[in-house]
Amino acid sequence: DTGVSQDPRHKITKRGQNVTFRCDPISEHNRLYWYRQTLGQGPEFLTYFQNEAQLEKSRLLSDRFSAERPKGSFSTLEIQRTEQGDSAMYLCASSLEPEMNTEAFFGQGTRLTVV
Amino acid sequence: AQKVTQAQTEISVVEKEDVTLDCVYETRDTTYYLFWYKQPPSGELVFLIRRNSFDEQNEISGRYSWNFQKSTSSFNFTITASQVVDSAVYFCALSEARDDKIIFGKGTRLHILP
Repeated sequence: DTGVSQDPRHKITKRGQNVTFRCDPISEHNRLYWYRQTLGQGPEFLTYFQNEAQLEKSRLLSDRFSAERPKGSFSTLEIQRTEQGDSAMYLCASSLEPEMNTEAFFGQGTRLTVV
Repeated sequence: AQKVTQAQTEISVVEKEDVTLDCVYETRDTTYYLFWYKQPPSGELVFLIRRNSFDEQNEISGRYSWNFQKSTSSFNFTITASQVVDSAVYFCALSEARDDKIIFGKGTRLHILP
């Protein structure tokens, strides 16, 4: 297993367009997390899944954001009607234990630029 | 509410010097976990260490060491004999046992100058 994989690595889009990112966690990991990181800041929690169930969403996740993990494996994060403020690095992480606070493995992220 | 403060935004040291990165945390839980992650220019967050709130024993791993002090709510990270490859952004993070997410500090950008 090569770790958590995210696709694409970079995305440039025009304001108002929709974008979708994909995350493939480590294969046996049942927990999957999405974070957002803006320049000069630490990662901020967005949402997480236990298998296919979305268990928590941050208030940072506006109605334009939606995340899915349909089969409890890979996950997608979609942003509708993108705004310049959505420009950030979107990080995915996965963990095996029931609780994330054991150890989470992060992917390399998808860097979104909204122009 | 849980909070992590890394007061040092950016640090520059000359190679082979020792450097300490500070981390102060806030939590109301008695059971919690503290982490350090490294983020090199490639962007991936690399896990370095996890400590639980009941284990205040300091830890050493090669050139890395961590000093956990509950009395001052601090979890500081020291790199001994720094190397250029240590240049990265380092994040301290906290997770409460009753919660399932990690809260990160804003990070400290470390420059190791040759």
